[in-house]
Amino acid sequence: GAVVSQHPSWVICKSGTSVKIECRSLDFQATTMFWYRQFPKQSLMLMATSNEGSKATYEQGVEKDKFLINHASLTLSTLTVTSAHPEDSSFYICSAQGRGNEQFFGPGTRLTVL
Amino acid sequence: TQLLEQSPQFLSIQEGENLTVYCNSSSVFSSLQWYRQEPGEGPVLLVTVVTGGEVKKLKRLTFQFGDARKDSSLHITAAQPGDTGLYLCAGDRGNKLVFGAGTILRVKS
Repeated sequence: GAVVSQHPSWVICKSGTSVKIECRSLDFQATTMFWYRQFPKQSLMLMATSNEGSKATYEQGVEKDKFLINHASLTLSTLTVTSAHPEDSSFYICSAQGRGNEQFFGPGTRLTVL
Repeated sequence: TQLLEQSPQFLSIQEGENLTVYCNSSSVFSSLQWYRQEPGEGPVLLVTVVTGGEVKKLKRLTFQFGDARKDSSLHITAAQPGDTGLYLCAGDRGNKLVFGAGTILRVKS
């Protein structure tokens, strides 16, 4: 089956620093990847759609200058949380879209901003 | 208001009981997926339903897609502690998935 990895699996950083999260499709190419945010015991909220070779499409209310997305290759998308603050602490999950439009999810990254 | 209404939000039952989770919308979806997620992990796809009226079975789990492709249900027979987790329905809207609020299931032994 299709495997998607995320790195790091967890990260703790100081307020004001930037954090980069990687999402990789390991055994397939994905022109489209998605970034979600999830709070404890809640559902997934789509933040943005990442398209290889073009700018990401952000959902309403998501600051594009705060959450920088780069999809430089068909197997890698990165999300950079810039000038992180405690309210950015969350579980960030990516997914990669397969040929049949199905989405395969990564294991998530737990971000804690002190 | 949420595009996909999922109920119940929380369910705590004894091992061996049956349960049903519902996912309803006023919108039509080209397909609908059900996922199970454990704490600290990403969602894992259980099933995709595409055809109105479709019924799919996965061991003790039965998934149904409404005739009008606006609603779906997940029925678990003889629940086991290993079924504990967050169950999410998600509808396909163009190129995006719209998620329901999720159902936290706890099966006690």
